[in-house]
Amino acid sequence: RKEVEQDPGPFNVPEGATVAFNCTYSNSASQSFFWYRQDCRKEPKLLMSVYSSGNEDGRFTAQLNRASQYISLLIRDSKLSDSATYLCVVTVRMDSNYQLIWGAGTKLIIKP
Amino acid sequence: EAGVTQSPTHLIKTRGQQATLRCSPISGHTSVYWYQQALGLGLQFLLWYDEGEERNRGNFPPRFSGRQFPNYSSELNVNALELEDSALYLCASSFSRDYGYTFGSGTRLTVV
Repeated sequence: RKEVEQDPGPFNVPEGATVAFNCTYSNSASQSFFWYRQDCRKEPKLLMSVYSSGNEDGRFTAQLNRASQYISLLIRDSKLSDSATYLCVVTVRMDSNYQLIWGAGTKLIIKP
Repeated sequence: EAGVTQSPTHLIKTRGQQATLRCSPISGHTSVYWYQQALGLGLQFLLWYDEGEERNRGNFPPRFSGRQFPNYSSELNVNALELEDSALYLCASSFSRDYGYTFGSGTRLTVV
């Protein structure tokens, strides 16, 4: 089992719809969680951190479920510009170091 | 504030040669991470430097090496280049693991 798993998609969603996808992680000691977006042939950019209480940034809502070990990203009123690959990242403590574990990403395509 | 800068943006080398990639983190960031992203694939962790020390290393052969300088900039060296080393090499920096990571725009290495 991969340490961080995402549905690769693609999710084909009409413009204006709401879309949600999850990311599961296997290490219960995971400490920090993030969502990044990556446009084709570009670098990943931080979309939002994921807090235990959940957080919202405009049309984007992130949730953390520690009991079931997953994080989620909800996009409301989707725009064409939301088309991208969404990567989840988990930080895990290993001995005295911290390791970033990246999901392979979920591809989202918003259609007019 | 300047972001993470990487140079060169593109690099073409022949098999067996050596490549040197450079990264300057955001001012104040002491951690630098190197990733490899082959076309169509996820991010593969290469190296993590913090305060001049190598903190962690991904599952790559020893011909992938690097260092971090006193000003926190970093170099990634790839010796004895192979065709499958062709990829986008991304550098990211962070102030703290809880604040997310900012990526540079990458160096696209092509080995012919």
